[in-house]
Amino acid sequence: ILNVEQSPQSLHVQEGDSTNFTCSFPSSNFYALHWYRWETAKSPEALFVMTLNGDEKKKGRISATLNTKEGYSYLYIKGSQPEDSATYLCAFRGGADGLTFGKGTHLIIQP
Amino acid sequence: NAGVTQTPKFRVLKTGQSMTLLCAQDMNHEYMYWYRQDPGMGLRLIHYSVGEGTTAKGEVPDGYNVSRLKKQNFLLGLESAAPSQTSVYFCASSTNTGELFFGEGSRLTVL
Repeated sequence: ILNVEQSPQSLHVQEGDSTNFTCSFPSSNFYALHWYRWETAKSPEALFVMTLNGDEKKKGRISATLNTKEGYSYLYIKGSQPEDSATYLCAFRGGADGLTFGKGTHLIIQP
Repeated sequence: NAGVTQTPKFRVLKTGQSMTLLCAQDMNHEYMYWYRQDPGMGLRLIHYSVGEGTTAKGEVPDGYNVSRLKKQNFLLGLESAAPSQTSVYFCASSTNTGELFFGEGSRLTVL
């Protein structure tokens, strides 16, 4: 069983503040690291797929970085808005295997 | 534009009954996956397939069987349902390197 850990488990952030959270994963046999956004009563939707050490991806106010040598990725949200409230999942793919998900960071944006 | 479709969306079973969940995708993806989601456990991989006619075990395969007779379909079977299999089941598909596209989920209750 692969160990994919996310922290913190939950997070309350004031609207307008910036925030970040962490995903740690095995540093060996790395193939890809995914980030997903999962809103209540919906299905997870992909934010980023990252494959190269040092990768930085950005989509609007959300960005992510990747360090495959030490086995971690950060997700950043700048200027949080209420619509950013969701659970953020990271997932690790090692080789031609299925994706192993972390348990997620539950983000609540408070007006 | 259907994407990934799961049927049924809800089902209640008695212990010992059998059933099959159907997942269909219209994106010509090679990879397909079945996950289960339980409170506090995140998404856990049950079985996956890297192409038509192939299947592989994930993290929690016991009590489930799968088949991928056609590229667009991935079936998840429960031969003898147990209360521990009460869960929300998500199917997903992807290219070999890309993001996962999820179905809407199937809520199964085993009494």
